[in-house]
Amino acid sequence: QSALTQPASVSGSPGQSITISCTGTSSDVGGYNYVSWYQQHPDKAPKLMIYDVSKRPSGVSNRFSGSKSGNTASLTISGLQAEDGADYYCNSYTSSSSWVFGGGTKLTVL
Amino acid sequence: QLQLQESGPGLVKPSETLSLTCTVSGGSISSGSYYWGWIRQPPGKGLEWIGNIYYSGSTFYNPSLKSRVTISLDTSKNQFSLKLSSVTAADTAVYYCARRSGGSSYRDYWGQGTLVTVSS
Repeated sequence: QSALTQPASVSGSPGQSITISCTGTSSDVGGYNYVSWYQQHPDKAPKLMIYDVSKRPSGVSNRFSGSKSGNTASLTISGLQAEDGADYYCNSYTSSSSWVFGGGTKLTVL
Repeated sequence: QLQLQESGPGLVKPSETLSLTCTVSGGSISSGSYYWGWIRQPPGKGLEWIGNIYYSGSTFYNPSLKSRVTISLDTSKNQFSLKLSSVTAADTAVYYCARRSGGSSYRDYWGQGTLVTVSS
């Protein structure tokens, strides 16, 4: 299975909004509402930020939101803060009853 | 508070079998509709899903690793395990165990990760 496609890097200034895309196929992102997003700081375990396309776990800031259109899912972070700088990964269920991650996106807060 | 902790050898020789255990505390692995799984991350690279096991014992594996992977449960010890056979340097990675809720992509609890290096 091929990794989902994410931009290698995105950047934004404090207070701005950014969006990270995650493109797959009709056999994964487009076929199921089982897309999640993880934030990972260096040498730390990933942290769940969004699940089931647009749901936010308890304790995650409402500055984080998710959506999906066709075969592309998106993570939007509004009101950027310095601590949002991290790597972000999308993850989707697939028609093979397996899961596939995106290649990851490095977010830099300028 | 649920906690997951990976354990196992940090160094494995090429062609041998990598074996890791995830010990779960603060909850039972045999209660509720949860999947217990493994994800890995080569140094400086992205995440890769390895596979998971349902609390009932059903297993699901990454198609690219399926021929080499076995995940099992030990409910008496509240642990689940990963075995990856015929390892090469490409299997060098930080290995994470994690819990996912059934019928959802809600993978909320993760271990801290353990680095396994494949080298002679």
